[in-house]
Amino acid sequence: GQQLNQSPQSMFIQEGEDVSMNCTSSSIFNTWLWYKQDPGEGPVLLIALYKAGELTSNGRLTAQFGITRKDSFLNISASIPSDVGIYFCAGQLTGGGADGLTFGKGTHLIIQP
Amino acid sequence: GAGVSQTPSNKVTEKGKYVELRCDPISGHTALYWYRQSLGQGPEFLIYFQGTGAADDSGLPNDRFFAVRPEGSVSTLKIQRTERGDSAVYLCASSLGWLTGANVLTFGAGSRLTVL
Repeated sequence: GQQLNQSPQSMFIQEGEDVSMNCTSSSIFNTWLWYKQDPGEGPVLLIALYKAGELTSNGRLTAQFGITRKDSFLNISASIPSDVGIYFCAGQLTGGGADGLTFGKGTHLIIQP
Repeated sequence: GAGVSQTPSNKVTEKGKYVELRCDPISGHTALYWYRQSLGQGPEFLIYFQGTGAADDSGLPNDRFFAVRPEGSVSTLKIQRTERGDSAVYLCASSLGWLTGANVLTFGAGSRLTVL
């Protein structure tokens, strides 16, 4: 089946630093999504990307859909304490079979004061 | 409702027991998904409903797992003869499907199942 490799597994940064994480796949996706999950909660959608090469921003977050459709990255600028959490990339295929998501294993972001 | 509601939030049971987990999706969402999230992992797809029918149940790990959505709204995930390896957070998500050109899933907070 499809596998998503997400890196890094965890990040320890200082408040105010920029963050970058990425996701690669062994196969193509039509849609890439980035979710954030806080403890005891379900994943919350941050950014959705629908076209290869697309670059999308949401406040301090910027994400890109790789041109090969097999990768995506997420950048967070000027990190703040509430950015702490686990970030998941997810790929989605349209047409045929489930419309569900294939998730990466997550990047755990920890911000040191 | 305003969001996806899942009950119970926590369930502790003994090995071999039967468990039901309930999901109440966002009103009007025709698509409903169940995922399982083990500790330190991303969510893994279990089953997808479009309306009342299971459109894809390829993620269910074995025949001890079953899910229903009899009226196209609330769904119940049923686990028979629970095993310790079933311990995980079971997430439900719903969406409008591809009506708007994008299928955006909204997740509930999950039901944490612990099998002793």
